[in-house]
Order: sequence, then structure tokens, then C-alpha cells
Amino acid sequence: DTEVTQTPKHLVMGMTNKKSLKCEQHMGHRAMYWYKQKAKKPPELMFVYSYEKLSINESVPSRFSPECPNSSLLNLHLHALQPEDSALYLCASSQDQLASVGELFFGEGSRLTVL
Amino acid sequence: AQSVAQPEDQVNVAEGNPLTVKCTYSVSGNPYLFWYVQYPNRGLQFLLKYITGDNLVKGSYGFEAEFNKSQTSFHLKKPSALVSDSALYFCAVRRGGTSYGKLTFGQGTILTVHP
Repeated sequence: DTEVTQTPKHLVMGMTNKKSLKCEQHMGHRAMYWYKQKAKKPPELMFVYSYEKLSINESVPSRFSPECPNSSLLNLHLHALQPEDSALYLCASSQDQLASVGELFFGEGSRLTVL
Repeated sequence: AQSVAQPEDQVNVAEGNPLTVKCTYSVSGNPYLFWYVQYPNRGLQFLLKYITGDNLVKGSYGFEAEFNKSQTSFHLKKPSALVSDSALYFCAVRRGGTSYGKLTFGQGTILTVHP
């Protein structure tokens, strides 16, 4: 069982909608990540939060807006998305962004469909 | 720049036979190497990692991998494949000894184990 919980599992939204993806971990990890994954492709890094501060933004369009309310929670706010944004969005956490030896713990993902 | 190559898009093996999923990497400095598995409609699960020490690393579900520095390889192996091992496998590399090393994934290998 994964210790990173993502909601919702599935989301269908129109291009004018505003929605949010949520992620929660209770492992005491201080780094949290958002990845985007297309079918049968590797995950692509979007954002990294370290100690609740945004440390990496991989040039992601502003229609994706991350938020880290506290060390256990990570949100991804979605607005005015395009059909090509349809993908599996994965949240992950690790003990510490600076600890390169640490593996990532992934959630089950939120499958997003943009109509 | 760092990179990972998984030369086989697909690997097919019969149940009970040994399996190998290949991975080669390129990174400056010491590599930290990881294997993840992804079952259909699920997130990625960590299998094993090489950081330092013994070149043969044992991981979850009976998998192991051998780090070969001269060949820059980190092939995933299992002595006896199970049908339930069928999944998408990702090799990943990070540059070790840095304050933050971005994780780079290979393109993935689909493993199919036939009964």
C-alpha cells in the first residue's frame, strides 16, 4: 500500500474549469514533487517543494499552480487547461530533497482528462 | 548532462525463466541508480537502488541488480519470473554527492511474463 495518497483518482474537466489535485503524505518527508506522465512514458518532473518552499519549477505553464500548505500536503491547482494536458499526475515524496540517496515514494496518481 | 538508456522497449519471458531488463547510464561523477516498477493504472513503486558498496543489490519481490561501473550498466534481474511481474520498469539515475541531483528516468521497458 502506498503511503502517499492522491485525490481524486480520476478527474474530467473542461478547458474553462478550475480544479485541484491533492496529495498527502505522513512519512515526515520534507520534499514533495509533482510529475506528469503520459501513457507508457517516463514521468516528467514539474515541481519540487522542499521544506514547504517551491525549489524547482521545470518551466511549467502558469495554468498549473502548485501549493504546499504544510509539510504533509501538496496541491496542484488547474485552470484553463488544454486537451494535451490530459495525463496521469503523480505526486511523490522523499525524505529530503538534499539527500540524493533517498528514493521517491509515489502516489497512485490522478488521471486527468481535459475535454 | 545525465541520461539513461533502456535499449529494449519490450521484454518477453516465460514464467519460471530468468529475466533481465537492461539499463545503461551516463552521468558525471558517482551515479546513484534506481529501479522502479509501474503496474497498469498505478503509481511507480521503488524496487531497489545502488548508492555505494556491493555491486549486487537485492530489492523487493526477489529482484536484484548488478552495478557495473566499467560498462556503465545497472541491469535488473530475477532468477525465476512470475506472471505477476508483468509491468513497466523504469531505470533512473541521479548524480551523487551533490546538494540536489535531478532524477533522470529511462524510457521504460514493458516486461511481459507468459504462463
